[in-house]
Amino acid sequence: RKEVEQDPGPFNVPEGATVAFNCTYSNSASQSFFWYRQDCRKEPKLLMSVYSSGNEDGRFTAQLNRASQYISLLIRDSKLSDSATYLCVVNIGGRDDKIIFGKGTRLHILP
Amino acid sequence: DAGITQSPRHKVTETGTPVTLRCHQTENHRYMYWYRQDPGHGLRLIHYSYGVKDTDKGEVSDGYSVSRSKTEDFLLTLESATSSQTSVYFCAISDLAPSTDTQYFGPGTRLTVL
Repeated sequence: RKEVEQDPGPFNVPEGATVAFNCTYSNSASQSFFWYRQDCRKEPKLLMSVYSSGNEDGRFTAQLNRASQYISLLIRDSKLSDSATYLCVVNIGGRDDKIIFGKGTRLHILP
Repeated sequence: DAGITQSPRHKVTETGTPVTLRCHQTENHRYMYWYRQDPGHGLRLIHYSYGVKDTDKGEVSDGYSVSRSKTEDFLLTLESATSSQTSVYFCAISDLAPSTDTQYFGPGTRLTVL
């Protein structure tokens, strides 16, 4: 099983719709989790951290399920500007102490 | 935005030539990283630094070397460029250890090796 897995998409979603995608991770020692956003030909940028209790930032909600080892990102009332690739990021602590990036999920918001 | 710059932003070179990419930060962060990003592979760590003159290898370090003589600068050198090193290279920084802190990325360098 890969360390971090994401559905590559693309997800083609009409403007205004709600879209959700998951990311699974294999290492139970994973300590912290993030979603990054990457626009075409740009650098990845932090979108939000993912906390055990879940967190919300405007139209974006991130959740963590440690028992099933996945994190999720929900985007409500999607905008054209949400079109991007969303990277799941998992930080593994302990002896490994490393960060693993998923390959990303491409999202296209359709007018 | 975090103060990270990369130079050059684009470079075309020929197989066998040495290439050096520079990453410069103004955030005084301890950790600096070099990644490459290729279709189908995502971001892969090449080398990282945890302080001046302190560096370590990542998962794809073969053919690359790094140096960090100052907190603000992290150099990536391709000793003899090959076509397989054609990629987009991103520098990143973090203030704390990789497992505890988020990373902030520079704008990237597009390298083409002919």
